[in-house]
Amino acid sequence: DTEVTQTPKHLVMGMTNKKSLKCEQHMGHRAMYWYKQKAKKPPELMFVYSYEKLSINESVPSRFSPECPNSSLLNLHLHALQPEDSALYLCASSQDFGDEQYFGPGTRLTVT
Amino acid sequence: AQSVAQPEDQVNVAEGNPLTVKCTYSVSGNPYLFWYVQYPNRGLQFLLKYITGDNLVKGSYGFEAEFNKSQTSFHLKKPSALVSDSALYFCAVRPVRGSNYQLIWGAGTKLIIKP
Repeated sequence: DTEVTQTPKHLVMGMTNKKSLKCEQHMGHRAMYWYKQKAKKPPELMFVYSYEKLSINESVPSRFSPECPNSSLLNLHLHALQPEDSALYLCASSQDFGDEQYFGPGTRLTVT
Repeated sequence: AQSVAQPEDQVNVAEGNPLTVKCTYSVSGNPYLFWYVQYPNRGLQFLLKYITGDNLVKGSYGFEAEFNKSQTSFHLKKPSALVSDSALYFCAVRPVRGSNYQLIWGAGTKLIIKP
């Protein structure tokens, strides 16, 4: 199984809402990633978890809060977002940090 | 500064013709090289990678890539294009020193295959 799943597929939220994005993989991968992608642009790395520990935080605003409950799950908690945060949010996993990454289909987020 | 360049924003190819999507990089050492593809409204899919060894790497969907160390290039190729190959293609490079092994991404090339 080489699948990474993400829920929800689409999310519309107001600037005062709190929501969460979820990501799951069952490939036994030890590294998991959150990316933000604007249309027709390369993905921008937000966070990396390696062996369930936060390894990289790319100076992401605190309104984005990652969580890794276990080796298969990755969450991204959202609070008080801005309209410019509207984007496709991609989750990925790899066997180890630096290996080829397998991406989920993404969550299309719209902040109103 | 380390960088990855995809010099063409868009490449147009007729179905059945060979295709090439170009990638050059400016990264010290012997980095790992990757190609990913993104179909409309989808996540990215890993196509192939080069770490060491044979300069011609074969990947998914009939794609291959040619590594050229002297030109620091890693061009993606396919002998016969399909309309279904139309997508956005990203080259990515992983430095082997520093930067915590984070990927450096090219800007992407839109590939359009015309019937």
